[in-house]
Amino acid sequence: ILNVEQSPQSLHVQEGDSTNFTCSFPSSNFYALHWYRWETAKSPEALFVMTLNGDEKKKGRISATLNTKEGYSYLYIKGSQPEDSATYLCAPSYAGNQFYFGTGTSLTVIP
Amino acid sequence: DSGVTQTPKHLITATGQRVTLRCSPRSGDLSVYWYQQSLDQGLQFLIQYYNGEERAKGNILERFSAQQFPDLHSELNLSSLELGDSALYFCASSPTPHPGDTQYFGPGTRLTVL
Repeated sequence: ILNVEQSPQSLHVQEGDSTNFTCSFPSSNFYALHWYRWETAKSPEALFVMTLNGDEKKKGRISATLNTKEGYSYLYIKGSQPEDSATYLCAPSYAGNQFYFGTGTSLTVIP
Repeated sequence: DSGVTQTPKHLITATGQRVTLRCSPRSGDLSVYWYQQSLDQGLQFLIQYYNGEERAKGNILERFSAQQFPDLHSELNLSSLELGDSALYFCASSPTPHPGDTQYFGPGTRLTVL
């Protein structure tokens, strides 16, 4: 089982603050990095899929970057809103179609 | 709503029993994935099917099996259930088996083994 680390484990920010999380993963045989947003009592919702070193993706106030050589990805949220409160999961996939999820960063945005 | 459906939503059973969880993928998706989330653990990849064929295996126990039918729905069979099998089981689907494809998750089936 590969070790996918996400930090911090949880985060509380004030509405309007910008924040970022980290996902670290083994880079050997890496294929793609998925980010998901998971709200309580719902199912994970895909945010981004990135494959190339240096990839940057953006969706509204949320953006992500990827470094495949050193095995990490950052997720940024600009001007956090209460509706951004959720757990953010990263999941690298590898050759042979193996998928591994981190345990997530739980974000709470305080109004 | 992702378009992926799972039934039942909740399932309560006893140790030693066998259960079947069902998943219907999004319209047009050919690949189905099964995941398990146990208490205090992250999502664990169990198995992937593509167009009826097993494509990849993760941490799936020998007591568990799955299949994908010609109409593309999938079933996950869990047998000789143990207390530790209590978990949330998710199904996800994607258009192709490519590991870079976005996966769309269903609402999950919560299994409780007493």
